[in-house]
Amino acid sequence: EAGVAQSPRYKIIEKRQSVAFWCNPISGHATLYWYQQILGQGPKLLIQFQNNGVVDDSQLPKDRFSAERLKGVDSTLKIQPAKLEDSAVYLCASQAANTGELFFGEGSRLTVL
Amino acid sequence: AQSVSQHNHHVILSEAASLELGCNYSYGGTVNLFWYVQYPGQHLQLLLKYFSGDPLVKGIKGFEAEFIKSKFSFNLRKPSVQWSDTAEYFCAVKGGSYIPTFGRGTSLIVHP
Repeated sequence: EAGVAQSPRYKIIEKRQSVAFWCNPISGHATLYWYQQILGQGPKLLIQFQNNGVVDDSQLPKDRFSAERLKGVDSTLKIQPAKLEDSAVYLCASQAANTGELFFGEGSRLTVL
Repeated sequence: AQSVSQHNHHVILSEAASLELGCNYSYGGTVNLFWYVQYPGQHLQLLLKYFSGDPLVKGIKGFEAEFIKSKFSFNLRKPSVQWSDTAEYFCAVKGGSYIPTFGRGTSLIVHP
């Protein structure tokens, strides 16, 4: 079974630039999450999708972050404009409906200079 | 609301030592509990989970965790650690319709 795919693995940008991350979940997983993991901290939820609908985006900084999952499969997370404090690893996870287990991708490491 | 607290942020052990990592959560109802591990340079992966039934849960690589409802705890244990257990360990809780919430993690270093 293929895992959760994310790209790019690494991205370095200057502040005020924009960046986009892509995620392809495990086939058949309806629930998809984006988490932000700052160095030394645990993953913090940004947004949850169920198919192509947003379930929870209460912790997403909507002035600069946006996410979509138009066809209920792949998802993109965008940051525009980026700030220094956005430097983090952005994790995508999809959830097995029967067990509730989260399957994580390898993450996209963002460095904002 | 739900939250997770991991008490040990950094743990250093010698091989063959016993391990116990603390995890406490706050949520008044039924919960699903998880321990995830992140080996250096790798993605987060599930170690073990508790949904219901026997409160002593066994996971991969000799790890186990005990759910103590009265203490709101889900501590992770391993009787004898190996150098390859060096990793970051995260406790997570999911209560009701809430999304899974993670603790800040415990960094474990095992010296050979």
